[in-house]
Amino acid sequence: DAKTTQPPSMDCAEGRAANLPCNHSTISGNEYVYWYRQIHSQGPQYIIHGLKNNETNEMASLIITEDRKSSTLILPHATLRDTAVYYCMKVANNAGNMLTFGGGTRLMVKP
Amino acid sequence: EAGVAQSPRYKIIEKRQSVAFWCNPISGHATLYWYQQILGQGPKLLIQFQNNGVVDDSQLPKDRFSAERLKGVDSTLKIQPAKLEDSAVYLCASSHGGPETQYFGPGTRLLVL
Repeated sequence: DAKTTQPPSMDCAEGRAANLPCNHSTISGNEYVYWYRQIHSQGPQYIIHGLKNNETNEMASLIITEDRKSSTLILPHATLRDTAVYYCMKVANNAGNMLTFGGGTRLMVKP
Repeated sequence: EAGVAQSPRYKIIEKRQSVAFWCNPISGHATLYWYQQILGQGPKLLIQFQNNGVVDDSQLPKDRFSAERLKGVDSTLKIQPAKLEDSAVYLCASSHGGPETQYFGPGTRLLVL
């Protein structure tokens, strides 16, 4: 079962939207897309998740393509504190809540 | 609400020595996880507990690593004997429901010389 594919790094200007892509072309019908982030020297932090509909919360928006093979995490107004590694994962609804982290995308927000 | 507590925060040992890490999960969280995060990589699950029972330990190197969660609350992870490649951050997490309820501690940074 292939993991997700993310670019290793991205830059974003402070105040602009950060759009982080994720490819999960082998996603199964019972798998959700989860996003976590890890700020330097801290543990990972949950951001958002979705199955097939677009989702929005106070932290971010998640756009999932209609075929569910890819998704984009959007931070609408990136701040310096959003500099972190962002992980996209597939999680099956019967997987016992197990998270399988890949390499993630290192987002650098620049002033 | 207090978060997941871990100690120590840093540990330096020589190879072949033993080391133990402690984790206190968020109160009421039945599920507890231990992850290993090598520099530059994402965390890798070592073991998952549900209360005091093991749910998954398929990636735990059982010849040298052991973990327990007596009474279904605190947990300890032990390495005996340590190898150079065990140098990593060891993260503890706990949850009370789906993956979105998984909260991580700050981790213990281990350096094996």
